[in-house]
Amino acid sequence: AQSVTQLGSHVSVSEGALVLLRCNYSSSVPPYLFWYVQYPNQGLQLLLKYTSAATLVKGINDFEAEFKKSETSFHLTKPSAHMSDAAEYFCAVSVGEYGNKLVFGAGTILRVKS
Amino acid sequence: DGGITQSPKYLFRKEGQNVTLSCEQNLNHDAMYWYRQDPGQGLRLIYYSQIVNDFQKGDIAEGYSVSREKKESFPLTVTSAQKNPTAFYLCASSTVGSGYTFGSGTRLTVV
Repeated sequence: AQSVTQLGSHVSVSEGALVLLRCNYSSSVPPYLFWYVQYPNQGLQLLLKYTSAATLVKGINDFEAEFKKSETSFHLTKPSAHMSDAAEYFCAVSVGEYGNKLVFGAGTILRVKS
Repeated sequence: DGGITQSPKYLFRKEGQNVTLSCEQNLNHDAMYWYRQDPGQGLRLIYYSQIVNDFQKGDIAEGYSVSREKKESFPLTVTSAQKNPTAFYLCASSTVGSGYTFGSGTRLTVV
């Protein structure tokens, strides 16, 4: 069975500072990993996905994540936070790119201070 | 533009009532999913369907029912057996090479 743990339900950074959102996964098979962003009362938007190609994955809006098998981690980073990055972020794992259950972490709310 | 449409955006249910949430996609995706979102709990899978006329229970299927009579449509019925239905419901679809695409959600409130 797959599972995801997101460390920190709330993260606060200053505008222009590094964003680091942590995600650790558990999977008995090679995982597919995803990061999604959600703004209030909206659906989820895909930021990036890891599908066993390059371990460093670049996504939209300058976000990137690195797959580290030895640490079972897939942390999300952005070099410089913008006010518009304030949202809730979800890490998710699946056994395939589609057609299978997508298991989500509990989410991390990112606050950006001016 | 292709996408997933969920309706209504807001829904109110009286105690003991069944309500149906609509999810329609024009992406030609094979698989569709229903998730429930509660604050601090992330998203939990209710039901999913990989092909027409077939669906599987997710982690919290009790009190819910679905149908998949058409590829484009995957409606979710919240029955009176669901004791705590107030939540935000998200529908998604997926296919090879596309990953998962989500709708904009339906917020259900019991009144």
